[in-house]
Amino acid sequence: AQSVTQLDSHVSVSEGTPVLLRCNYSSSYSPSLFWYVQHPNKGLQLLLKYTSAATLVKGINGFEAEFKKSETSFHLTKPSAHMSDAAEYFCVVSAATGRRALTFGSGTRLQVQP
Amino acid sequence: EAQVTQNPRYLITVTGKKLTVTCSQNMNHEYMSWYRQDPGLGLRQIYYSMNVEVTDKGDVPEGYKVSRKEKRNFPLILESPSPNQTSLYFCASSLCFSTSTDTQYFGPGSRLTVL
Repeated sequence: AQSVTQLDSHVSVSEGTPVLLRCNYSSSYSPSLFWYVQHPNKGLQLLLKYTSAATLVKGINGFEAEFKKSETSFHLTKPSAHMSDAAEYFCVVSAATGRRALTFGSGTRLQVQP
Repeated sequence: EAQVTQNPRYLITVTGKKLTVTCSQNMNHEYMSWYRQDPGLGLRQIYYSMNVEVTDKGDVPEGYKVSRKEKRNFPLILESPSPNQTSLYFCASSLCFSTSTDTQYFGPGSRLTVL
């Protein structure tokens, strides 16, 4: 069984300040972890993924995430927020076996204030 | 352009009127899947398909059917829609079923309202 908990449903930051979106997971197997972003009225776009190589993963648009097995966390960060980062972000875990379903967190809505 | 397409993008229908949401991918992907997105619940898998003629239930399959007659197409069928199926639906595909690290590519979504 696997699950994902996104610890904040809403995060508000000022433009130019750091972004931290928190995610904890549980999985019976070695997981693959993803962050997807959904802009208003748009589909889902992959930001980055962890696949048991480097624990620090770099994604698109300056986002990074660090896999910490001891803390079962996969937090998403960005040094400096941009207005265009305002969107909903989903942390996702994919099981190593079984039907390959992606288990989604409930999402974190990021607001960026000017 | 590599993409997953869905139709219709928006649909309002009435209880009991059968409808089909089409999904097509042009990337020769083996794996396809349907999800529904509801506020506060993230996305939940409805059905998935490992390859042609191979489909199976996801987490919330009740009230839905699927078929996979061709590799590129994976339609979602609501035989008798009910208001609790009002949702935003996403189709997704990935290259290979057997690899959990494969990225799943998502369609643009289909917003369905059942009155």
